[in-house]
Amino acid sequence: EVQLLESGGDLVQPGGSLRLSCAASGFTFSSYDMSWVRQAPGKGLEWVSAIRVSDGSTAYADSVKGRFTVSRDNSKNTLYLQMNSLRVDDTALYYCAKPRTSGWVFDSWGQGTLVTVSS
Amino acid sequence: DIQMTQSPSTLSASVGDRVTITCRASQSISSWLAWYQQKPGKAPKLLIYKASSLESGVPSRFSGSGSGTEFTLTISSLQPDDFATYYCQQYTTFCNFGQGTKLEIK
Repeated sequence: EVQLLESGGDLVQPGGSLRLSCAASGFTFSSYDMSWVRQAPGKGLEWVSAIRVSDGSTAYADSVKGRFTVSRDNSKNTLYLQMNSLRVDDTALYYCAKPRTSGWVFDSWGQGTLVTVSS
Repeated sequence: DIQMTQSPSTLSASVGDRVTITCRASQSISSWLAWYQQKPGKAPKLLIYKASSLESGVPSRFSGSGSGTEFTLTISSLQPDDFATYYCQQYTTFCNFGQGTKLEIK
């Protein structure tokens, strides 16, 4: 059974940093592109970032480009999101998501980790 | 960027009703469209991919159609478990989601 377990969410002040982790199990982590998707309280879904398995290339939503960095450690089956220069509008539940095959259709999601940016 | 617009934003219906949710893309996305269901406090669940392909384990009362810029999600006979929020997602270039449609009990 696929399991994705996010952690690292916390209350942080504007301008602060946080690193999220997503521990994966139940599938061959090193074979899948992985993404982060967030959901602000009471709002819709927003894709944040992805990292490809083929070449390690990364992609970001314009709203986080230059501030967030996605990475992975295939030896630990773990996905990361380093979040710097956090803003109030980054407040959201952050989900780790696995695609069906490759790319962007997500058949497995974690339970999310809450990031709150507030002074 | 491709914009995804869902309608309606809220839909009130009764058990047994046939309901349709529409999703429009700001430019053609061929059939690169997925639908998700989300219940309060839960992660989204994949229902449909490639516009009309039913994900394994999803009841057959869910169906998707469309191509290009206009797509629909149809639930043929609403069940109590279906009251939730539904999102469409395009995945041509990266991905992005529609704003969601909340399906409420009438």
